[in-house]
Amino acid sequence: DQQVKQNSPSLSVQEGRISILNCDYTNSMFDYFLWYKKYPAEGPTFLISISSIKDKNEDGRFTVFLNKSAKHLSLHIVPSQPGDSAVYFCAASTIGNSGGSNYKLTFGKGTLLTVNP
Amino acid sequence: DADVTQTPRNRITKTGKRIMLECSQTKGHDRMYWYRQDPGLGLRLIYYSFDVKDINKGEISDGYSVSRQAQAKFSLSLESAIPNQTALYFCATSPAGGNDEQYFGPGTRLTVT
Repeated sequence: DQQVKQNSPSLSVQEGRISILNCDYTNSMFDYFLWYKKYPAEGPTFLISISSIKDKNEDGRFTVFLNKSAKHLSLHIVPSQPGDSAVYFCAASTIGNSGGSNYKLTFGKGTLLTVNP
Repeated sequence: DADVTQTPRNRITKTGKRIMLECSQTKGHDRMYWYRQDPGLGLRLIYYSFDVKDINKGEISDGYSVSRQAQAKFSLSLESAIPNQTALYFCATSPAGGNDEQYFGPGTRLTVT
């Protein structure tokens, strides 16, 4: 049973437009969420995170929104750039002792974002 | 130099062979992890280690074993490789105490024929 779902395997947007990547989760114990980006032939790299005490976290062009009641989060990239083309993984965990995620991440299947020039 | 390195980067092996994948890190992190990624699937946790004397099974540990030789080294072994272990394997590290980020290596592409 998949606890973290990314239902769109791929997304294509024009450069300069907004990219919205979606993620749903089923485990109500999850309270910390992360987005990772992965380029071909490289390992995933951390992008942005959010804890359940917030509904929004912003870092430059990247914003993550969390809707706890709907068990849904989304990653917005504005404006999208060709270099953003990658696979984006949503991951979830429970909160660790220091307030960040604990060790055990549950990943979604990923969404391939293509930003066209 | 990369903070998390994996060797080999690519490996083709035959069914029944024993194979070891190695991971080294220079980040000084206590925690290390092994994941596998299959096409169309997310990363799944195989084993994790919080320090040299601590080894824990993850979501899919059957058919795998690990060794934490030092703080900086964490190896994954397939005792008798089978074709459905063909996958992309990632090592990751994180500092103790829980942190936002796990830092991933570049991956090892393993093919079992």
